[in-house]
Amino acid sequence: SQTIHQWPATLVQPVGSPLSLECTVEGTSNPNLYWYRQAAGRGLQLLFYSVGIGQISSEVPQNLSASRPQDRQFILSSKKLLLSDSGFYLCAWSRTGTGELFFGEGSRLTVL
Amino acid sequence: SQELEQSPQSLIVQEGKNLTINCTSSKTLYGLYWYKQKYGEGLIFLMMLQKGGEEKSHEKITAKLDEKKQQSSLHITASQPSHAGIYLCGADGSGNTPLVFGKGTRLSVIA
Repeated sequence: SQTIHQWPATLVQPVGSPLSLECTVEGTSNPNLYWYRQAAGRGLQLLFYSVGIGQISSEVPQNLSASRPQDRQFILSSKKLLLSDSGFYLCAWSRTGTGELFFGEGSRLTVL
Repeated sequence: SQELEQSPQSLIVQEGKNLTINCTSSKTLYGLYWYKQKYGEGLIFLMMLQKGGEEKSHEKITAKLDEKKQQSSLHITASQPSHAGIYLCGADGSGNTPLVFGKGTRLSVIA
């Protein structure tokens, strides 16, 4: 069966510090991968998605970036965090050609 | 771009009561997905609707998609504390695009 893991679960970082959130999927190959952010009052916002290694589509221009160094690994990064980057980050995967998403447990980021 | 409007934003119901959550799209839907989220956790898939007029049920939760494929409703019968959480609808605009989500409806069930 397929599983998705993301870490860390909780992170408290000062403004201006770097960020790295990791997500891995097991039990499937060539998944589509996604990073969403959930902030209070703003719902679930798509940040990045990837249909293959090295292929990243950005939905929201900001100081975040994503990379997919391996087929089942998706990384969300920032060089310098802003207060507005605080939120609940969710990684998800889907099978190619289907819309159903399978979500990870989420990572709560607080920027102080 | 596709936008989804959910109503109500929040709902407090007494245990045993029925309730309905609505999701309206600005464009015709290719597919409509309902998810449930407990606070601080990931989203759990509930149901997916694709055909106009389609209706699906899972335990005490029923979801419908209207004939024009622009509006969906989620109905919970005889609500229980385990139904509490955030319900989100997600739209698939073309079958090959990432899901766009509504802002969610926060449901509280009180004894």
